[in-house]
Amino acid sequence: DTEVTQTPKHLVMGMTNKKSLKCEQHMGHRAMYWYKQKAKKPPELMFVYSYEKLSINESVPSRFSPECPNSSLLNLHLHALQPEDSALYLCASSQEPNSPLHFGNGTRLTVT
Amino acid sequence: AQSVTQLDSQVPVFEEAPVELRCNYSSSVSVYLFWYVQYPNQGLQLLLKYLSGSTLVKGINGFEAEFNKSQTSFHLRKPSVHISDTAEYFCAVAKEYGNKLVFGAGTILRVKS
Repeated sequence: DTEVTQTPKHLVMGMTNKKSLKCEQHMGHRAMYWYKQKAKKPPELMFVYSYEKLSINESVPSRFSPECPNSSLLNLHLHALQPEDSALYLCASSQEPNSPLHFGNGTRLTVT
Repeated sequence: AQSVTQLDSQVPVFEEAPVELRCNYSSSVSVYLFWYVQYPNQGLQLLLKYLSGSTLVKGINGFEAEFNKSQTSFHLRKPSVHISDTAEYFCAVAKEYGNKLVFGAGTILRVKS
């Protein structure tokens, strides 16, 4: 069982929809991450939150909008996505920045 | 900038045989090194990490890795694999004073009976 919980597990959305991915951890970790993983590829970093502040944005398009309401929660708001945005979106957390990451099982997103 | 090269995209091996998954990294600064495993339709699970100290690192599920600074390598080994070890394995590097983890392309380990 993973200690990083991601919901939903699967999401299908149209290009005009607005949806959100949710990630939750209760390990007291102070850094949280969003990664994107395309099929047969390694995860690619999107965003890092450190102590609830956005510390890294890897030049991600504005149709992806992260939010960290508190130290346990991380959201990824999606709007006007493209079919090429279909991927597995992984959330991770770490005790401190640069500590080992603990990953959730991901949300498999399909954009139609 | 750091980069990671996993030299084999797929490694087939028979059950109970030993296996080595190769990883080389490049970085101009000291780094932290990690191996993660990903089972189908799941997230990544940390197998082991090298932060400092002993260059031989033992992880979960009987895996170990050796940090070799002169060869800039961090190869993963297991003396006897099981069918359940079939998965994709990712080597990753992080800058010592940063929190940006860079992954290699992954190696699919296929254990055959």
